[in-house]
Amino acid sequence: AQSVTQLGSHVSVSEGALVLLRCNYSSSVPPYLFWYVQYPNQGLQLLLKYTSAATLVKGINGFEAEFKKSETSFHLTKPSAHMSDAAEYFCAVTAEYGNKLVFGAGTILRVKS
Amino acid sequence: NAGVMQNPRHLVRRRGQEARLRCSPMKGHSHVYWYRQLPEEGLKFMVYLQKENIIDESGMPKERFSAEFPKEGPSILRIQQVVRGDSAAYFCASSPGTDKRTDTQYFGPGTRLTVL
Repeated sequence: AQSVTQLGSHVSVSEGALVLLRCNYSSSVPPYLFWYVQYPNQGLQLLLKYTSAATLVKGINGFEAEFKKSETSFHLTKPSAHMSDAAEYFCAVTAEYGNKLVFGAGTILRVKS
Repeated sequence: NAGVMQNPRHLVRRRGQEARLRCSPMKGHSHVYWYRQLPEEGLKFMVYLQKENIIDESGMPKERFSAEFPKEGPSILRIQQVVRGDSAAYFCASSPGTDKRTDTQYFGPGTRLTVL
């Protein structure tokens, strides 16, 4: 069965610093991976997704993620944090037999001024 | 193009009452998913529906919970005889159904259910 582990339930960075949010997955089939962002009291917004076309995926708001099969990882990065990046971030993998998403527990990103 | 609509945004029920949550998918989307987010946890899949069909309900509690997506109108998630443990945020997502595994699921703003 598919699963996702997000290391670090809370991450704090200074404005302008590198953002690194970790995601490791387990999948019995070639995975399709997603990063979503959730602002307080809102729904989830897609940041980017990996569907096997390219291992380095660029998303919205300057975020990108690299798929590393050997490490079963799909970490999310942004070179320079902005105050508006403060939110909760979820990594997800499509279940083996399609359709449903299996989510990690989420990482809350705090950006300090 | 309007996004996924959910209503109500907030719902308060007393123990034993019924809760009805509505979801209108994005225009052109025929696939609907419901997820539940408990406090301090990630989202958990509940059910996947297409028009007039339940495709996967493996995440639905066996009792008190039901879902439908009629030919006309929104998808409904119904919780009968609510208990305090049902308090959570319920999110609906929709997708076009082009490719099951790679389709982007677009999420609504959620319904936050509080059971007193």
